[in-house]
Amino acid sequence: EIVLTQSPGTLSLSPGERATLSCRASQSVYNNYLGWYQQKPGQAPRLLIYGVSSRATGIPDRFSASGSGTDFSLTISRLEPEDFAVYYCQQYSSSPRTFGQGTKVEMK
Amino acid sequence: EAHLVESGGGLVQPGGSLRLSCAASGFTFGHYWMHWVRQAPGKGLVWVSEIDSGGSSTSYAESVEGRFSISRDNAKNTLYLHMNSLTGEDTAVYYCASLSAPVDYWGQGTLVTVSS
Repeated sequence: EIVLTQSPGTLSLSPGERATLSCRASQSVYNNYLGWYQQKPGQAPRLLIYGVSSRATGIPDRFSASGSGTDFSLTISRLEPEDFAVYYCQQYSSSPRTFGQGTKVEMK
Repeated sequence: EAHLVESGGGLVQPGGSLRLSCAASGFTFGHYWMHWVRQAPGKGLVWVSEIDSGGSSTSYAESVEGRFSISRDNAKNTLYLHMNSLTGEDTAVYYCASLSAPVDYWGQGTLVTVSS
């Protein structure tokens, strides 16, 4: 099983600031099968990024992502008020699919 | 527009059983692998189970292997999760999802509470 470890656990930032979230895998994620989700309280997760760096439909370009192998990151260039949420990485290169434990981006 | 609507959650006693359903619409349900993902209160997302598009191949998280069973009825556009021998650790919101990036649909979730 591929274990995904996200850091930091919580990121306290102000609107307009840049957020950088990390996701480290216990073994290599093949075929770039890694995605990022955003979840707000009381809502289902929403896909932001798939294939390591491709934005899902309707996702603004302030969201970007990169990485390969075991190290991945999600960057929000300038935080908007609606971006304060919990973010999860997920790998789908091998079964069982696994999620990271999440990074909460909270307003400072 | 794609919709997934879960139902069947509720309060169940430890050791009990429950069957969750997920009704799909707005997309070609029978073309996609489908998944169940759960989220305990205040916790993160945990993948539970998956089933292939035809319903012949399934897999499970170790924590539910042997207790849960996933199935689907493509004629009814419905996904199921049969849950047996439930414990308090199974208390969670259960989501059905397609997880077929970039085709990624999620339901709103159904809450399962295991308590006496």
